[in-house]
Amino acid sequence: GAGVSQSPSNKVTEKGKDVELRCDPISGHTALYWYRQSLGQGLEFLIYFQGNSAPDKSGLPSDRFSAERTGGSVSTLTIQRTQQEDSAVYLCASSLARGQPQHFGDGTRLSIL
Amino acid sequence: AQKVTQAQTEISVVEKEDVTLDCVYETRDTTYYLFWYKQPPSGELVFLIRRNSFDEQNEISGRYSWNFQKSTSSFNFTITASQVVDSAVYFCALSEAGLTGANSKLTFGKGITLSVRP
Repeated sequence: GAGVSQSPSNKVTEKGKDVELRCDPISGHTALYWYRQSLGQGLEFLIYFQGNSAPDKSGLPSDRFSAERTGGSVSTLTIQRTQQEDSAVYLCASSLARGQPQHFGDGTRLSIL
Repeated sequence: AQKVTQAQTEISVVEKEDVTLDCVYETRDTTYYLFWYKQPPSGELVFLIRRNSFDEQNEISGRYSWNFQKSTSSFNFTITASQVVDSAVYFCALSEAGLTGANSKLTFGKGITLSVRP
């Protein structure tokens, strides 16, 4: 079956622009997570969805970051007014339920010029 | 707060050597899960194993084995007879599930870069 799908795989944009990153989880997985991986900070949790609700947004670094999930499936992470420190690989993961293994997509490599 | 420490940063071995990757964790929950993930040069994070806090039985799966010890808060991973294809970054991770019905977000260690030379 299909794994977690993320798009785009690479995104280069100018500082100050908005970007949208998409995640299509494994079918039937109710839990969806966004993480960020950068050289300096390692792997960091951003936000968790259970169904369409986001009970934990504690990892979002600023109010420029937001995310939504619709239909209990696809999720979009939006970064407004991008800054150079937003450059990182953004990873999406999904799992059947909390505590179950999280399966990761290939990530979106975001570069802010 | 939960924390995962992988004290080793880089390990280099020659093919066929055994190698152990160390992981130490901190949590106040009595119910939690421990994971190992592998990230090869291609970049995708691959799930290897999950253990819950009530299951200290160690496991061997092919060339891989895991040693979970609650007394020392350690969850170490051993590769026997390493191969070049084992070269990757290995992450240990923890998720809490007990006290607050937490969301089971993963807290990762910094990762260990394993290089296996032919």
